[in-house]
Amino acid sequence: DIQVTQSPSSLSASVGDRVSITCRTSQSVMSYLSWYQQKPGKAPKLLIYSASTLQTGVPSRFTGSGSGTEFTLTITSLQPEDFATYYCQEGHGNPYTFGLGTKVDIK
Amino acid sequence: QLQLQESGPGLLKPSETLSLTCSVSGGSISSINHYWVWIRQAPGKEPQWIAGIYYTGNIYYYNPSLNSRVTISVDTSKNQFSLRLTSVDVADTAVYYCARRGKGGSPLPGAFDIWGQGTLVTVSS
Repeated sequence: DIQVTQSPSSLSASVGDRVSITCRTSQSVMSYLSWYQQKPGKAPKLLIYSASTLQTGVPSRFTGSGSGTEFTLTITSLQPEDFATYYCQEGHGNPYTFGLGTKVDIK
Repeated sequence: QLQLQESGPGLLKPSETLSLTCSVSGGSISSINHYWVWIRQAPGKEPQWIAGIYYTGNIYYYNPSLNSRVTISVDTSKNQFSLRLTSVDVADTAVYYCARRGKGGSPLPGAFDIWGQGTLVTVSS
């Protein structure tokens, strides 16, 4: 199995802040890396796929970067609706593995 | 707009068999660019991919950790796909989601772009 390490596990930030979340995989997944946002009681929502491609309808303040084994999700100018849990997911191995998540809450 | 909806029992006893169905509406399950998958999420945990199937039914994948207990199937005439998990245990308690995954070479390779709302399955004696 490909191991996925996501950091930090949680962070506190204020509206307007820039935040970054890192995802590392135990072997190369090329660009098969996606990012999701999940709010309580809801299904995860796809934000970014292929490491850096913004899903249709997702605000441009969300950006993804990286390839191989190291990836980053950046939210520029955090908005109130962005407080949620974020997961990365590799799409190259079997099984397809999610990171443990990063909870972004209000400072 | 494509939508997915899970259905099935919410409460099971240990050793019973879980059967869930995902109904696809607003589009066809017979898509050459997608797999149809099941994912579960235990309380407070990250999602776990369980299984995936292509609309032809002859290409499917299982999470090796669940392989011996899982069966996935598809019924294109009903625009549905299903999950069967045998010998459930309290550790199988989770919200179960059905979702769509892009095939390699498709516009969204490896990503789960559409999800159902999820159904809570509780295993308890």
